[in-house]
Amino acid sequence: GAVVSQHPSRVICKSGTSVKIECRSLDFQATTMFWYRQFPKQSLMLMATSNEGSKATYEQGVEKDKFLINHASLTLSTLTVTSAHPEDSSFYICSARDRGRGGNTIYFGEGSWLTVV
Amino acid sequence: GENVEQHPSTLSVQEGDSAVIKCTYSDSASNYFPWYKQELGKGPQLIIDIRSNVGEKKDQRIAVTLNKTAKHFSLHITETQPEDSAVYFCAASRGQTGANNLFFGTGTRLTVIP
Repeated sequence: GAVVSQHPSRVICKSGTSVKIECRSLDFQATTMFWYRQFPKQSLMLMATSNEGSKATYEQGVEKDKFLINHASLTLSTLTVTSAHPEDSSFYICSARDRGRGGNTIYFGEGSWLTVV
Repeated sequence: GENVEQHPSTLSVQEGDSAVIKCTYSDSASNYFPWYKQELGKGPQLIIDIRSNVGEKKDQRIAVTLNKTAKHFSLHITETQPEDSAVYFCAASRGQTGANNLFFGTGTRLTVIP
């Protein structure tokens, strides 16, 4: 089946620094990718929709200058958490839409644990 | 916008028994309903999905039913096994009409007791 790879799986960074998380679709082209944040024992919260070749669409309450999203190719989207603070510590998950094979299915990456110290 | 509700929030069953998780949605334009299984510390894994042109879909021990009139859909797991223990999320979207994202339920933590 389709595979979405997310890297790194775990990252620890110092407060004030920036960290980049990559999301790749390995066997399909994804014109649309999504970034979610998940707090412990809670559902996924959509942060933004990443569209290849255009600006991301952010959900209400998500700071676009803090969570920079770049979707430069049909297989890669990146999320950069800028000037990270401890409250940004969370589980970040990406997903990608596979429009192939007559369907319109969304597959998720394995997630990235971010800890800001 | 779409509002997806999911019940129950926790579910414990004996190994071998069946488990049923139910979701309702509000947007009558939603036409794609996937179910995801999430194990601790991992990303959600698509386990089954259903589109609005069918009422039921089955894949081995897993089945999903959809009632568009009532705007609800359910996940059925038969002959449960300990490895089925995880958090399950339902979702809804206007997948085929080009809208963007999935709207998730709040999740059900399933525990299968050996």
